[in-house]
Amino acid sequence: SQQGEEDPQALSIQEGENATMNCSYKTSINNLQWYRQNSGRGLVHLILIRSNEREKHSGRLRVTLDTSKKSSSLLITASRAADTASYFCATEANQAGTALIFGKGTTLSVSS
Amino acid sequence: GAVVSQHPSWVICKSGTSVKIECRSLDFQATTMFWYRQFPKQSLMLMATSNEGSKATYEQGVEKDKFLINHASLTLSTLTVTSAHPEDSSFYICSAFRGRADEQFFGPGTRLTVL
Repeated sequence: SQQGEEDPQALSIQEGENATMNCSYKTSINNLQWYRQNSGRGLVHLILIRSNEREKHSGRLRVTLDTSKKSSSLLITASRAADTASYFCATEANQAGTALIFGKGTTLSVSS
Repeated sequence: GAVVSQHPSWVICKSGTSVKIECRSLDFQATTMFWYRQFPKQSLMLMATSNEGSKATYEQGVEKDKFLINHASLTLSTLTVTSAHPEDSSFYICSAFRGRADEQFFGPGTRLTVL
């Protein structure tokens, strides 16, 4: 099963621009995580935000979480060609040890 | 720490054969491991939850007789795709739960191609 939609499904920008991706989910969560996946490769963990947090930063990444709207956003600032990848949000339910449920993902293309 | 490995990283097999994929937690004990499948240009879909010493729990629509899961120790879970067919070609990824909230770690994935 999947939690919900990611928006947009695909995003094309120029180097230096910011990229914003949104994620919605359906159930109560313990945390929400963002992953990157280059074509044909494994997952790279980017950032985790807990349900009691509203915003978190890591380098060029900024994640927000609105539990009342069951939504999250990932902002990548000053994008680079190397940021080209698919980005997925994943939620861990309230009970620790349950599987992560992934969104459908956003494919980001950054051109130089 | 918290490294999860998968073996093999890729495999090509003939239709009708069985393929075993291993998922290992290298530096921690994992009471629970999860198996996901990812078709091209799609997201990860949970296939099953594997608990050490007990039968796996499969998600709806996943054939348990086709995808055999064994979690014989706290560091190893195996997924065997039996009588593989071309439609089973996919990217299989495992994750391991270290015991506390926020602590699930993913393996690098196994790409299966069935000819």
